[in-house]
Amino acid sequence: GNSVTQMEGPVTLSEEAFLTINCTYTATGYPSLFWYVQYPGEGLQLLLKATKADDKGSNKGFEATYRKETTSFHLEKGSVQVSDSAVYFCALSIYNFNKFYFGSGTKLNVKP
Amino acid sequence: DTGVSQNPRHKITKRGQNVTFRCDPISEHNRLYWYRQTLGQGPEFLTYFQNEAQLEKSRLLSDRFSAERPKGSFSTLEIQRTEQGDSAMYLCASSLVGGRTTYEQYFGPGTRLTVT
Repeated sequence: GNSVTQMEGPVTLSEEAFLTINCTYTATGYPSLFWYVQYPGEGLQLLLKATKADDKGSNKGFEATYRKETTSFHLEKGSVQVSDSAVYFCALSIYNFNKFYFGSGTKLNVKP
Repeated sequence: DTGVSQNPRHKITKRGQNVTFRCDPISEHNRLYWYRQTLGQGPEFLTYFQNEAQLEKSRLLSDRFSAERPKGSFSTLEIQRTEQGDSAMYLCASSLVGGRTTYEQYFGPGTRLTVT
């Protein structure tokens, strides 16, 4: 089947620390991969995406590389800020993007 | 473009009552999706529409749930005879499919349902 597994949170970091949130997937087809972010009290927002193997998605200092050989799409940021505190969801979509499969989310807390 | 809107934002109801939620997608988007999100979990797909046609329903969508998109614009999700297990955040998303689109789904803020 299709599923996404994320590292459990919460992840607590100090400002300017390096961030990695692990994401692995299983898919019956050839998926596109996404990271969504949910700030407190707001809806999910697309953070970045990659549609084929070895693609790197990037946005707002965040990066993730589509690794087909390890079925992974880990999220990284070199220097986190307090404003990055949110819940991050890894997701995949196949078959013409008719639906998404989401991981359970990883809460990130960044302390000043 | 004001984004995806959902109403109400919060709904508290007693078990056994019916509830209806509304979603207004981004105006030019032809696809509309409903998801359910419980505490500490990611969104789970419920159903989606392309224009007014409901193309897929999840096994999660029991007979008590019905969704419509009568004119291919706004959509409603109705839950009949609510149960405590229906308590969750109900999310709506929309996207534009066709041609050189990016297939990004834009999410609304959600409707939080509490069944007492």
